[in-house]
Amino acid sequence: DADVTQTPRNRITKTGKRIMLECSQTKGHDRMYWYRQDPGLGLRLIYYSFDVKDINKGEISDGYSVSRQAQAKFSLSLESAIPNQTALYFCATSPVTGELFFGEGSRLTVL
Amino acid sequence: LAKTTQPISMDSYEGQEVNITCSHNNIATNDYITWYQQFPSQGPRFIIQGYKTKVTNEVASLFIPADRKSSTLSLPRVSLSDTAVYYCLVGGGLTGGFKTIFGAGTRLFVKA
Repeated sequence: DADVTQTPRNRITKTGKRIMLECSQTKGHDRMYWYRQDPGLGLRLIYYSFDVKDINKGEISDGYSVSRQAQAKFSLSLESAIPNQTALYFCATSPVTGELFFGEGSRLTVL
Repeated sequence: LAKTTQPISMDSYEGQEVNITCSHNNIATNDYITWYQQFPSQGPRFIIQGYKTKVTNEVASLFIPADRKSSTLSLPRVSLSDTAVYYCLVGGGLTGGFKTIFGAGTRLFVKA
């Protein structure tokens, strides 16, 4: 089983709909992250959390929100999806030394 | 935040050693250097991390000069399955993780 699990793996939705992407991990890391990747580009940080009570915005947080329900769970929400949020979304965890461990990704298409 | 510069793409042949160099001129004292590998539609995979000098693991070596303004990822005897995008990141460590910024990476294409 994967150490970092994302659900759903694929989702097609319409403009204006609320979408939640979920992430759970069994690595025991306190730090969790959400990244977005667009075709041919690197990853951009949306939000990160260093523990259950800590939430921080990344470089592209507008239009997104997150919830850290437990040490092992970190969800990303799009309150009102728009087409330019069509992308591949990755959840990641890290120990204090900072190396990132990624999930398999959630491909979101907003029509 | 430290930015990185690496070649956009590289070609190699099976069995050769591949060296990918990354420059990070404004690396901070607390920053680590970390390399990741990414295959299409998959999450990046951690390869190696270092702070200074040389680090080696079962898949790669990382060479970091004394000034730490650059680093070189060395992949020994590449195979076709090493065709991927390789990212150099600076940040992490006890104060980072969130400071790691992904650039466009280096697309390595290994030919038979």
